[in-house]
Amino acid sequence: GAVVSQHPSWVICKSGTSVKIECRSLDFQATTMFWYRQFPKQSLMLMATSNEGSKATYEQGVEKDKFLINHASLTLSTLTVTSAHPEDSSFYICSARTSLVRTGELFFGEGSRLTVL
Amino acid sequence: RKEVEQDPGPFNVPEGATVAFNCTYSNSASQSFFWYRQDCRKEPKLLMSVYSSGNEDGRFTAQLNRASQYISLLIRDSKLSDSATYLCVSGSANAGGTSYGKLTFGQGTILTVHP
Repeated sequence: GAVVSQHPSWVICKSGTSVKIECRSLDFQATTMFWYRQFPKQSLMLMATSNEGSKATYEQGVEKDKFLINHASLTLSTLTVTSAHPEDSSFYICSARTSLVRTGELFFGEGSRLTVL
Repeated sequence: RKEVEQDPGPFNVPEGATVAFNCTYSNSASQSFFWYRQDCRKEPKLLMSVYSSGNEDGRFTAQLNRASQYISLLIRDSKLSDSATYLCVSGSANAGGTSYGKLTFGQGTILTVHP
């Protein structure tokens, strides 16, 4: 089946630095990728929808200048957390779909756990 | 009000027990529904889709009541390996639109099955 890979799986950084997380579809072309964030004991919250070749669509309350999303190819989307602060520490998960995947049957990456000191 | 609401639990049940989870959704425009399973510190994995006619997959039975905007999951003969967080999920259905495939997750219900 389709596989979505995220990298890095975990990262620790100092406050004020920027962190880039990659999401790759390994055996299919992902026209759309979704970025979620999950705080401890809370649900996954959609941050943004990333469409290949166009600007990402951000959910209400998500700062687009802080969470930069680039979806330059059909197999790669990146999320950059700029000037990270401790409150950005969270579990970031991407998911991807192709036009062949029915709604909801998305493929999730393994997640990236960010800890900002 | 959350768009998808679940009882967070935790549910602690012995092996072999039957356990039921409930979920309600507020967006009447939601077209697709799912149960996902999430193990600790892992990504969610699709358990099963939920259809209006109800559907069963082995020990798992899902039901959808569109009139009440209510979804349920029944697990029979619980196994230790069923211990996880179960996420109720609704999906959009704007085919071809940018929201196609957008999922809204409930908080999750924690299940612990003990010997």
